[in-house]
Amino acid sequence: GQNIDQPTEMTATEGAIVQINCTYQTSGFNGLFWYQQHAGEAPTFLSYNVLDGLEEKGRFSSFLSRSKGYSYLLLKELQMKDSASYLCAVRDSNYQLIWGAGTKLIIKP
Amino acid sequence: EAGVVQSPRYKIIEKKQPVAFWCNPISGHNTLYWYRQNLGQGPELLIRYENEEAVDDSQLPKDRFSAERLKGVDSTLKIQPAELGDSAVYLCASSLDGRDTYTDTQYFGPGTRLTVL
Repeated sequence: GQNIDQPTEMTATEGAIVQINCTYQTSGFNGLFWYQQHAGEAPTFLSYNVLDGLEEKGRFSSFLSRSKGYSYLLLKELQMKDSASYLCAVRDSNYQLIWGAGTKLIIKP
Repeated sequence: EAGVVQSPRYKIIEKKQPVAFWCNPISGHNTLYWYRQNLGQGPELLIRYENEEAVDDSQLPKDRFSAERLKGVDSTLKIQPAELGDSAVYLCASSLDGRDTYTDTQYFGPGTRLTVL
């Protein structure tokens, strides 16, 4: 079966750095997405990786290793507004997105 | 540019009643998705449209759920009759072309929070 694993919850301090990991087992691979979802709101697109390596976008970076079935989202200079759930999703060979359950990130002052 | 529009935002009904959700995708987006999301879980795909054609409805409970996308733009998702277990957030998303583009990204509407009593 297809599976995406992420930690359920993480806590970090304002101004610090946090890394959210995602491991996957899917039928084929056509890219990995990270979305941010604030409580009661819709997911919003953060990043996309299809090749191995690091993609940097401001305070957020995303890394992919296809051979290991592994990705992480790195958030720097954490702000209170970064408190949200972070969803990892993999597009499989049928171009369907397989979603993880999300990691709830709690930022403390 | 307007994002994905959904209505209503909230709906409370009693079990066995019918309910319908409406979605207007981003202009020019050919692919439309309906998802269901339960608390603490990721979205679960119910149906995907490419223009007017439903290309993936394998996860849609067809005994009570139906969907349509007339003219390849707006879409409606219906549940009849609703059950207690249908309480969830129903999300609509759209993308330019979900089949052929590597970097095709899905953009989500605000969702409809359904409560079945």
